[in-house]
Amino acid sequence: KNQVEQSPQSLIILEGKNCTLQCNYTVSPFSNLRWYKQDTGRGPVSLTIMTFSENTKSNGRYTATLDADTKQSSLHITASQLSDSASYICVVSAYGDSSYKLIFGSGTRLLVRP
Amino acid sequence: GAGVSQSPSNKVTEKGKDVELRCDPISGHTALYWYRQRLGQGLEFLIYFQGNSAPDKSGLPSDRFSAERTGESVSTLTIQRTQQEDSAVYLCASSFGTSVQYFGPGTRLTVT
Repeated sequence: KNQVEQSPQSLIILEGKNCTLQCNYTVSPFSNLRWYKQDTGRGPVSLTIMTFSENTKSNGRYTATLDADTKQSSLHITASQLSDSASYICVVSAYGDSSYKLIFGSGTRLLVRP
Repeated sequence: GAGVSQSPSNKVTEKGKDVELRCDPISGHTALYWYRQRLGQGLEFLIYFQGNSAPDKSGLPSDRFSAERTGESVSTLTIQRTQQEDSAVYLCASSFGTSVQYFGPGTRLTVT
């Protein structure tokens, strides 16, 4: 069964600190993995997209990694800011399915405190 | 507009009533998606439109749910005889082909 699991479910950190969010998946065959940021009351916004051949991708203070062998991804946030408080959603697409059939994790809720 | 818009932003309805939710995708985007997000849960895929192809309705949870799209523009998601378990945020997204999806702000539906 295709599944995406994220950990931790929620996280509280102090402003300026770094943090790492985890995503494990059992989607097969794999096509790509995306990280989205969802602010409260808003729709998700894409942060990164990685294919099988990519093992790291950065977007400002956000760096995503992918290990296709162990089927794990992480999202590292550097020097956190209050505006980073949001839910971070890991989404995996299965190759062979039309890519619109994305499998969504339930997200990690991050709270950055001053 | 610059992004995907949805209306209404909030909808409160009585159990058993029908509701219509609207999505205006980004101009030129060929694909449109509807998702449901229950409180504290991940996104559930509902339905997908791609150009003039037959829509993929495989995610619709029951025959009370239906959606239409006019060409490559506006889409309407209709829920008939609403139930309390239909309470959720309904998100619409659009993309050019199967590239990055851009999400709207969602419609928060509350069924009392």
